[in-house]
Amino acid sequence: EADIYQTPRYLVIGTGKKITLECSQTMGHDKMYWYQQDPGMELHLIHYSYGVNSTEKGDLSSESTVSRIRTEHFPLTLESARPSHTSQYLCASSSASGANVLTFGAGSRLTVL
Amino acid sequence: GEDVEQSLFLSVREGDSSVINCTYTDSSSTYLYWYKQEPGAGLQLLTYIFSNMDMKQDQRLTVLLNKKDKHLSLRIADTQTGDSAIYFCAERKTGANNLFFGTGTRLTVIP
Repeated sequence: EADIYQTPRYLVIGTGKKITLECSQTMGHDKMYWYQQDPGMELHLIHYSYGVNSTEKGDLSSESTVSRIRTEHFPLTLESARPSHTSQYLCASSSASGANVLTFGAGSRLTVL
Repeated sequence: GEDVEQSLFLSVREGDSSVINCTYTDSSSTYLYWYKQEPGAGLQLLTYIFSNMDMKQDQRLTVLLNKKDKHLSLRIADTQTGDSAIYFCAERKTGANNLFFGTGTRLTVIP
């Protein structure tokens, strides 16, 4: 079944640790996105990719980095986590044509102590 | 305005209709979307409408688009307790491939 998977779903970690949030999709989508979601706030785009070896920063500045070495995989990394990074991170993908409907993963909720 | 705007909360009684409203920013936006988010889950696409349409109906869902006022609404007929969730409006602005989302409206259905 075609889908988009995020791991971990929940992560509690201490300040200064390096973390990687994984995102994989099995739909063959070229475009992938990372959004950050805080309670009662809009989703903000922090990174996107239109294909392998293509990554761009989104509208919201983020200290995280991403890579796109394979079409299906779009991991997000924080080199040194801080409490201000506490948030929900949502990964999405879309095909290159038509209505550009985004398919979302279940999200990774990060808490930095 | 710069932001997609939605009211934060809506409560309705089970069996009534719910209407969730949204104002968006770009009169040239090509597509507008409604997503649903249940607790602990990602966003699930409910429906979308192309900008040359005024209305789209899909079972209990009716989307109305007023391009002049940049206003989008989602009507849920015969609202059920399972409809309780956060509903996000989103627009695809001209020249952009990503979507811009509102804050979401938390719908609470009272039995």
